[in-house]
Amino acid sequence: QQQVKQSPQSLIVQKGGISIINCAYENTAFDYFPWYQQFPGKGPALLIAIRPDVSEKKEGRFTISFNKSAKQFSLHIMDSQPGDSATYFCAGSGGVSGTYKYIFGTGTRLKVLA
Amino acid sequence: SAVISQKPSRDICQRGTSLTIQCQVDSQVTMMFWYRQQPGQSLTLIATANQGSEATYESGFVIDKFPISRPNLTFSTLTVSNMSPEDSSIYLCSVARVGDTQYFGPGTRLTVL
Repeated sequence: QQQVKQSPQSLIVQKGGISIINCAYENTAFDYFPWYQQFPGKGPALLIAIRPDVSEKKEGRFTISFNKSAKQFSLHIMDSQPGDSATYFCAGSGGVSGTYKYIFGTGTRLKVLA
Repeated sequence: SAVISQKPSRDICQRGTSLTIQCQVDSQVTMMFWYRQQPGQSLTLIATANQGSEATYESGFVIDKFPISRPNLTFSTLTVSNMSPEDSSIYLCSVARVGDTQYFGPGTRLTVL
């Protein structure tokens, strides 16, 4: 009930291409879905987040698509750049407990080739 | 957002010893969390640090092994006790205000020999 499944585990994309990372959640009480970007030796940094009342959110080259009925959401990175090479984590949060705990996906290691 | 610092940034420790990691945030926050991230793995929540009361631990983590303090709204410590090589990991603190997202510190990279 608490899992967030993330795929693929790793991804190689050519510069200028589109990177797509998918996540699926089980807990229907989740009401907040952030994406984090983590570079080696650094802490995760918030990239973009969405709530289930919208189906898409775009910030620059980064877009979240959200499908509430399928309990799935995805991150699209348009015009991928070598500087986007990092590990990306999706997460789900919310529910009755109100503890604001995040359940993280397993991560996707993205490499963008120059 | 929030500016978060952790000390130490890294350490190499001997088996059986303990290490205390500090997390300092630049402004008052409602919640502080401690995570463990093993090499190449995802983030696992250890506990929620509660100001003025005992921390709330996740399944698999106990207070005797990971005692946590939170004396005020900007500071928390995590101690890794009686360390073994299996405790080698990155330890991250994160903070949040009600209705806001979690922001992470830079992490403490721990190696236990």
